Amino acid sequence: KAGVTQTPRYLIKTRGQQVTLSCSPISGHRSVSWYQQTPGQGLQFLFEYFSETQRNKGNFPGRFSGRQFSNSRSEMNVSTLELGDSALYLCASSEGDQNTIYFGEGSWLTVV
Amino acid sequence: QKEVEQNSGPLSVPEGAIASLNCTYSDRGSQSFFWYRQYSGKSPELIMSIYSNGDKEDGRFTAQLNKASQYVSLLIRDSQPSDSATYLCAVSTGGGNKLTFGTGTQLKVEL
Repeated sequence: KAGVTQTPRYLIKTRGQQVTLSCSPISGHRSVSWYQQTPGQGLQFLFEYFSETQRNKGNFPGRFSGRQFSNSRSEMNVSTLELGDSALYLCASSEGDQNTIYFGEGSWLTVV
Repeated sequence: QKEVEQNSGPLSVPEGAIASLNCTYSDRGSQSFFWYRQYSGKSPELIMSIYSNGDKEDGRFTAQLNKASQYVSLLIRDSQPSDSATYLCAVSTGGGNKLTFGTGTQLKVEL
């Protein structure tokens, strides 16, 4: 089985711009969650989608949003980028509820 | 108080020794517990999951859970230099797949 696939892997954006990150979960997995990892804050939960519905949400501002499509693929969007949004963004997928989550390789975002 | 706490390390052990990594959590309702390994510049990789009190062994790895003490640990036997990485403890609470992570313990296995 192919793992969780994230695109793009690396990107550089300017403050004020917006960015969209994409995630394809493991085949058969219906839950997709997103995490932000920074040296200062560690791994922090952004949100989780299950069957196209947001099921959980972390403590991030409304600039961070996401969605899930009928094929379970997911995207997250960050608008009005700030320097502090520079981070590794990780997507993880899981079969269902309270299951093990598996991470993709991540998208490295640098905001300049 | 942080929800999931780990000693940041670094924890240095000689090759062949047992490495002991510890984690405490604050939410008594936590149901599922995970250990992930993360190499520098890479994404977290699942090592172990544990759901009930006691020990769970998988190869050189043993996870231990004590819900009464709100404590979960990971033992790595016969530590190898390739085990040098940051180990993240994660706890699942409530519904869905939201995990709360500790800040990780850096393990260094020295030759």
